[in-house]
Amino acid sequence: QVQLLESGGGVVQPGGSLRLSCAASGFIFSDYTMYWVRQPPGKGLEWVAIISYDGNNKNYAGSVRGRFAVSRDNSQNTLYLQMNSLSAEDTAVYFCASSSSFYSSLDFWGQGTLVTVSS
Amino acid sequence: EIVLTQSPGTLSLSPGERATLSCRASQNIRSGSLAWYQQRPGQAPRLLIYGASSRATGIPDRFSGSGSGTDFTLTISRLEPEDSAVYYCQQYGSTPKTFGQGTKVEI
Repeated sequence: QVQLLESGGGVVQPGGSLRLSCAASGFIFSDYTMYWVRQPPGKGLEWVAIISYDGNNKNYAGSVRGRFAVSRDNSQNTLYLQMNSLSAEDTAVYFCASSSSFYSSLDFWGQGTLVTVSS
Repeated sequence: EIVLTQSPGTLSLSPGERATLSCRASQNIRSGSLAWYQQRPGQAPRLLIYGASSRATGIPDRFSGSGSGTDFTLTISRLEPEDSAVYYCQQYGSTPKTFGQGTKVEI
């Protein structure tokens, strides 16, 4: 069955960096567009980034553009999110999710990893 | 950017009742590219409806979606206790891929 397992979350100081990973299994990872979505504590969902199946097309929410970078390694079935210049507003649970295309729904979600930005 | 506004904020109903959730877009959503997700407490979101009205695999038929253009509806025909959750709509037809703020259903 489809499994998405995020890792790399933790506590980081303001201005710091963190790299999240999402290990995929149970489907042909290289065929799927992948998303990062975040959820601040007690709040709603916010789309963060999207990357096409081959990594050639990427897009970001305005709130993270220029600070975050999404990438993937199809040989390792892994999705990444490099987060730089972190601030308290980036504190959230970060979910990875799969989609059949750049313009399709988010079919499967991981359980999320918590990022806390605090001094 | 397409802004999605969900209403009501909270819906309190009894088992067996019908729930009607609304999602209104600030611009036309092309090709009905709207999805609904369910998020139970402490869990990841789960896809319920895509393409405005198609049920995802394994979703009970008491969940149905309808609408087009800027007005969309999720209907839960006979509420069960496990339907207690927050429900989000999302448009994926254009970037940014925005979400609504959610509707909490209490049973």
